[in-house]
Amino acid sequence: GEDVEQSLFLSVREGDSSVINCTYTDSSSTYLYWYKQEPGAGLQLLTYIFSNMDMKQDQRLTVLLNKKDKHLSLRIADTQTGDSAIYFCAEKSNDYKLSFGAGTTVTVRA
Amino acid sequence: EAQVTQNPRYLITVTGKKLTVTCSQNMNHEYMSWYRQDPGLGLRQIYYSMNVEVTDKGDVPEGYKVSRKEKRNFPLILESPSPNQTSLYFCASSLSAGSRGYTFGSGTRLTVV
Repeated sequence: GEDVEQSLFLSVREGDSSVINCTYTDSSSTYLYWYKQEPGAGLQLLTYIFSNMDMKQDQRLTVLLNKKDKHLSLRIADTQTGDSAIYFCAEKSNDYKLSFGAGTTVTVRA
Repeated sequence: EAQVTQNPRYLITVTGKKLTVTCSQNMNHEYMSWYRQDPGLGLRQIYYSMNVEVTDKGDVPEGYKVSRKEKRNFPLILESPSPNQTSLYFCASSLSAGSRGYTFGSGTRLTVV
């Protein structure tokens, strides 16, 4: 099956930028997603990017896609305490299945 | 409000006692799916359904069953639960399998003792 990898932990100071990285293996991926999971809650879709795009910006969020290296990143500008959560990278391949990474726990310190 | 509703939110049960986790969506979505979340492993797909009466196995289907008799409901059945099925379960739906967004339920935390 598809393999999606991301680092498990990230600690960032409030006000700084956070960058969460993800690599995937399925070159037929159509959409790539970033989901946010707050404690005790389900997954909330943060943003997504279509595989023929290089970049997508949505307010404080910037997604970069390097299709050649199969690398996806999520940058959160001006990180706030409310951004503390687990962030999941996911890809959707042509068989319509969503494959998730293990999740990156982001801790924002004052 | 458009949502995916799972019940129960928390469940503790004993090995071998059949249980059902319900999932219902009110968005007329065709595609529904079940995932389990375990620490360090992310979310793994158990089963999915492209439409009514159409279901298929995901990556980790062993020990689970599903049914899709109506468009809105997609229950997850554990005929004989075992401790290795202790996990956090999520139901998700989308308008079609190829659409951009998946809506997730709030999760069901299952403990099998």
